[in-house]
Amino acid sequence: KQEVTQIPAALSVPEGENLVLNCSFTDSAIYNLQWFRQDPGKGLTSLLLIQSSQREQTSGRLNASLDKSSGRSTLYIAASQPGDSATYLCAVDSGNTPLVFGKGTRLSVIA
Amino acid sequence: DAGITQSPRHKVTETGTPVTLRCHQTENHRYMYWYRQDPGHGLRLIHYSYGVKDTDKGEVSDGYSVSRSKTEDFLLTLESATSSQTSVYFCAIRRDRGYNEQFFGPGTRLTVL
Repeated sequence: KQEVTQIPAALSVPEGENLVLNCSFTDSAIYNLQWFRQDPGKGLTSLLLIQSSQREQTSGRLNASLDKSSGRSTLYIAASQPGDSATYLCAVDSGNTPLVFGKGTRLSVIA
Repeated sequence: DAGITQSPRHKVTETGTPVTLRCHQTENHRYMYWYRQDPGHGLRLIHYSYGVKDTDKGEVSDGYSVSRSKTEDFLLTLESATSSQTSVYFCAIRRDRGYNEQFFGPGTRLTVL
């Protein structure tokens, strides 16, 4: 059974810092991995989807990497801003089964 | 947002009453999902559907039923609401085309008194 872990559960950084959020999964037989952002009281917004055949995917200041063999993905946020404060969740797609979600990392960027 | 709407967005009801939440999509994707999200538990799958009249249970399906009579609508019913079902409910779709990216609706906040 696929399990997804995100560490740390919470992170606080000063504005302007580059940061990395971690996601690990137990079964490397995945189809793709998706990163989401959730603002307080809001729904989940898809940030990036990285396919199993890709090593990384970029969108603006965000860069997601994937290492299937080690069961790890990272979300790199460059030059963090207070507006980046949110909870970030990763989810693993193993094919014809529902996504398996991590519990998320709550990020606070302090001005 | 992949054209996903949820209704109602907020609801307060009493224990023992039936409640139906609606999820509507405009892109006619096969897969639709219902989740609940609670502090300390994260996002938990209730039920999902892979086509009209084709549904399956998730990890927290007890006390919930679903129906999908049209591709665009997925209904979640609490037959007799309990206080433990107070939660935020999210609907999601997974795209059939491209890389099967999943998108979420805005959520329904349900309070059972």
